[in-house]
Amino acid sequence: LAKTTQPISMDSYEGQEVNITCSHNNIATNDYITWYQQFPSQGPRFIIQGYKTKVTNEVASLFIPADRKSSTLSLPRVSLSDTAVYYCLPKSFQKLVFGTGTRLLVSP
Amino acid sequence: DAGVTQSPTHLIKTRGQQVTLRCSPKSGHDTVSWYQQALGQGPQFIFQYYEEEERQRGNFPDRFSGHQFPNYSSELNVNALLLGDSALYLCASRGLAESYEQYFGPGTRLTVT
Repeated sequence: LAKTTQPISMDSYEGQEVNITCSHNNIATNDYITWYQQFPSQGPRFIIQGYKTKVTNEVASLFIPADRKSSTLSLPRVSLSDTAVYYCLPKSFQKLVFGTGTRLLVSP
Repeated sequence: DAGVTQSPTHLIKTRGQQVTLRCSPKSGHDTVSWYQQALGQGPQFIFQYYEEEERQRGNFPDRFSGHQFPNYSSELNVNALLLGDSALYLCASRGLAESYEQYFGPGTRLTVT
């Protein structure tokens, strides 16, 4: 079973770009990579998913190298409301343990 | 279109008691999963229901049981409560066409004293 590794926490300022990298060795060949965002006392919210190369939506971009052993969530021009915990999950993990995620703190 | 709803919002129970938590999935969704989230930790998968049957189960004791009804709503039951069962209990639903995205409810905060 693939294990994910993310930084425990990150700090940023409003307007900056934030990149959160997740390592996921042994990811299954057919697994997608998904990212969720969670605010305090709320359920996680799906942000983005991808298989390889780059995916972009209105919220974030997701970069996945050819070997698919890692992925990077990119949040452009963060605001205070982006302060949250971000989880990286190979699709097969959606039914198991999220991990502790990355706690992002955005300051003025 | 209502999203995933859960009740109650908060609950306080005493050790040894039993508790039932309820979840209504997002409209059009037929698969419901339950998660336990302790303070400062990520959600941990308890089990998943589809077609009124438990399809997958995480590493939780038999004290944790569930049920899914014909309208796809679900219940989580916990017997013989322990202090360590205090957590945020999250329900998530998904439909077949959205297999990569789960929609989470706001959770039920359970405190065991």
